[in-house]
Amino acid sequence: EVQLLESGGGLIQPGGSLRLSCAASGFAFSTYAMSWVRQAPGKGLEWVSVISNNGGSTYYTGSVKGRFTISRDNSKNTLYLQMNSLRAEDTAVYYCAKHLGAVAAPGDYWGQGTLVTVSS
Amino acid sequence: EIVMTQSPATLSVSPGERATLSCRASQSVSSNLAWYQQKPGQAPRLLIYAASTRATGIPARFSGSGSGTEFSLTISSLQSEDSAIYYCQQYNNWPSMYTFGQGTKLEIK
Repeated sequence: EVQLLESGGGLIQPGGSLRLSCAASGFAFSTYAMSWVRQAPGKGLEWVSVISNNGGSTYYTGSVKGRFTISRDNSKNTLYLQMNSLRAEDTAVYYCAKHLGAVAAPGDYWGQGTLVTVSS
Repeated sequence: EIVMTQSPATLSVSPGERATLSCRASQSVSSNLAWYQQKPGQAPRLLIYAASTRATGIPARFSGSGSGTEFSLTISSLQSEDSAIYYCQQYNNWPSMYTFGQGTKLEIK
């Protein structure tokens, strides 16, 4: 059974940093691209970042470029999102998602999400 | 940036009837279109990918169609458990963006 478990969320002041983790199990983690998708309270879904299966390619939505860094450790079956210079508008539930295949594919399994609240 | 527009914003349908949700892309996304279902407090669930292929475990009463810029999700024989928000997503214009629509809230009367 595919399982994705996010952690690392919490309350952080504007300008602060946070690292999210997503522990994966039940599938060959190193075979699949992975993404982070976020959802602000009461709002729709927003794709944040994607990483290829071997970590060689990473991409970001414009509003987080230069502030967020996606990475993965295939030996630990874990996906990460390092978030720096956090802003109030980054407040959201952050989901990790396994891609159906390569980078150009939708997410077929999602974690339950971790809430990040940026506030003073 | 490709903009995905869903309609209607809210749809109210009786149990046993059919619901049709629409999604329009601002430019062609070929068949690189997915549909997700999200219930309150839950993560999104993939229903359809490649515009018309049902994801693993999705009942046959969920069907997708379309290509280019016009897509639809049809749910036949509606059940109370189908009450949710449905999102479309294009993954054609990668890696610059995997754009989601704003969602359609489906209510079962």
